[in-house]
Amino acid sequence: KAGVTQTPRYLIKTRGQQVTLSCSPISGHRSVSWYQQTPGQGLQFLFEYFSETQRNKGNFPGRFSGRQFSNSRSEMNVSTLELGDSALYLCASSPGQGYEQFFGPGTRLTVL
Amino acid sequence: EDQVTQSPEALRLQEGESSSLNCSYTVSGLRGLFWYRQDPGKGPEFLFTLYSAGEEKEKERLKATLTKKESFLHITAPKPEDSATYLCAVQANNQGGKLIFGQGTELSVKP
Repeated sequence: KAGVTQTPRYLIKTRGQQVTLSCSPISGHRSVSWYQQTPGQGLQFLFEYFSETQRNKGNFPGRFSGRQFSNSRSEMNVSTLELGDSALYLCASSPGQGYEQFFGPGTRLTVL
Repeated sequence: EDQVTQSPEALRLQEGESSSLNCSYTVSGLRGLFWYRQDPGKGPEFLFTLYSAGEEKEKERLKATLTKKESFLHITAPKPEDSATYLCAVQANNQGGKLIFGQGTELSVKP
């Protein structure tokens, strides 16, 4: 089976811009979660989608949003970028709750 | 508040020198505890899932164990290719698929 894919792999943006990241889960997986990883905070949960519905959301401002499509592919959007948004954004897919999550390679976002 | 603490933060071993990594957790109803390995610049790679106290899982030189308060990742006779950051995460019964991660243990194995 093909693994989780994320595009793009690298992004450079300036403050105030917005960005959209994409994730394609493993075939058959209906749950997609997003995480932000920084050296200071480690891995932090952003949100989880299951069958096109947001099931859970972490403690991030409303500038961070996401959605899931009928084919389980997911996108996350960050509006009005800030310097502190520079991070590795990871997508993980899973068959459902309680099962292991498989991570993609991540999108490295740099905000200048 | 649900929380995961890993120790040590960094561990340096000689090839063949066995050791253990610790993951202490506080969670309101554990659904599962997960171990991942992460290499620099890559996404975490799934290693093990543990669901109940007393459970053990093994894979090559790695063995994970679980109690009601902590989990250990035992590394037997490590090789340089085992060098990576090892992450522990918990999932609570009432929080969907959300994983709460520890800060990780950075393992370095020297030949």
